[in-house]
Amino acid sequence: QVQLQESGPGLVKSSDTLSLTCGVSGYSIRSSNWWGWIRQPPGKGLEWIGYIYYSGLIHYNPSLKSRVTMSVDTSRNQFSLKLTSVTAVDTAVYYCAKKEDGRNPFDPWGRGILVTVSS
Amino acid sequence: DIVMAQSPTFVSVTPGEKVTITCQASEGIGNYLYWYQQKPDQAPKLLIKYASQSISGVPSRFSGSGSGTDFTFTISSLETEDAATYYCQQGYEHPLTFGGGTKVEIK
Repeated sequence: QVQLQESGPGLVKSSDTLSLTCGVSGYSIRSSNWWGWIRQPPGKGLEWIGYIYYSGLIHYNPSLKSRVTMSVDTSRNQFSLKLTSVTAVDTAVYYCAKKEDGRNPFDPWGRGILVTVSS
Repeated sequence: DIVMAQSPTFVSVTPGEKVTITCQASEGIGNYLYWYQQKPDQAPKLLIKYASQSISGVPSRFSGSGSGTDFTFTISSLETEDAATYYCQQGYEHPLTFGGGTKVEIK
């Protein structure tokens, strides 16, 4: 059974870079799936950030594209997110999730990690 | 971007009653519409895919319907454990977008 777990700093200073990793267990990241990031500001709705295929193919949300970088480490069976020049509006719970190839939903999701941007 | 207009934003329901949530896409998305349940301090959980297709392990009281721009999510007989926020999401085109959510409260 596939499980995903986010990890990284829970506090990032304004203007710095947010860096998170999602570890995948029970499943090979080399499978025909996309590995995505979604975020949720406290008390608000969900925003898709982007997703990456194990080969490195990527789709980003245009609203964040200039600040986002995603990568895959197949040797560690994990993938990562970097968001540069963060501000308070980037404070959110960040989720990683698996998406099958094609127009499929995110399933399952990691438990999420709260990242707070401090001034 | 495709805007997903979800309504209502909040509903308070007695156990055993029916709950209906709607999601309207700003343009046609075929049946690429998914429903998620999010309980407090938990990650979203997939309940319905392709507008009406059930997910293994999800109780049969949860169902979905619709295609094109208008979609409906139904809980046929609400149970106390169903207290949560429910979101729709379109998977038709990038950027993927979510509805604003419907919070279901138990009376």
